[in-house]
Amino acid sequence: DTAVSQTPKYLVTQMGNDKSIKCEQNLGHDTMYWYKQDSKKFLKIMFSYNNKELIINETVPNRFSPKSPDKAHLNLHINSLELGDSAVYFCASSQDVGEISKTGELFFGEGSRLTVL
Amino acid sequence: AQSVTQLGSHVSVSEGALVLLRCNYSSSVPPYLFWYVQYPNQGLQLLLKYTTGATLVKGINGFEAEFKKSETSFHLTKPSAHMSDAAEYFCAVSERGFNKFYFGSGTKLNVKP
Repeated sequence: DTAVSQTPKYLVTQMGNDKSIKCEQNLGHDTMYWYKQDSKKFLKIMFSYNNKELIINETVPNRFSPKSPDKAHLNLHINSLELGDSAVYFCASSQDVGEISKTGELFFGEGSRLTVL
Repeated sequence: AQSVTQLGSHVSVSEGALVLLRCNYSSSVPPYLFWYVQYPNQGLQLLLKYTTGATLVKGINGFEAEFKKSETSFHLTKPSAHMSDAAEYFCAVSERGFNKFYFGSGTKLNVKP
């Protein structure tokens, strides 16, 4: 039973198109994230949602719009795709462990490889 | 903001040799520290983490790491490399009180027979 699942796993599309990636976690976690991993394997946080509320937005272009219909789902919609959007996008989740120390390790999905032609 | 530095984007060791992957962070307050492993075409998996208490932490697959506050380091080691350890390894930190994680640029470990 996959803990963090994202679809599709592979996505090939043309410049200018709009595409979405879906993510679901069945761990009961409060916080979900989108990370972008570029061709050099560098991982960068894009967004973070806590209980459906946006808490982190790391200077991502407006073409990227996350949506969290409930705390188990965090989808990523990308408008007007550009060549530079080609990357692997990882969804992740973590559990807050209390008021004093909010740290839970991240649980990652398997990634969605987006190729923009 | 935090920064995480992993020295050496590629490390190559022989099977059975010591594995040492280096990680340094910048923070005036000790953060929470993590090592993740990524196998080809997969997501990242947690190897081990340090939050409080004993500074030497043990993880899965025989890996361990030691938090050294004076050196702001959290190096990952394994006494004897196995072929199955070949993967990309990421060091990460999160600030205490915040669910925000910063990743290093990764170190690709190659294990030679």
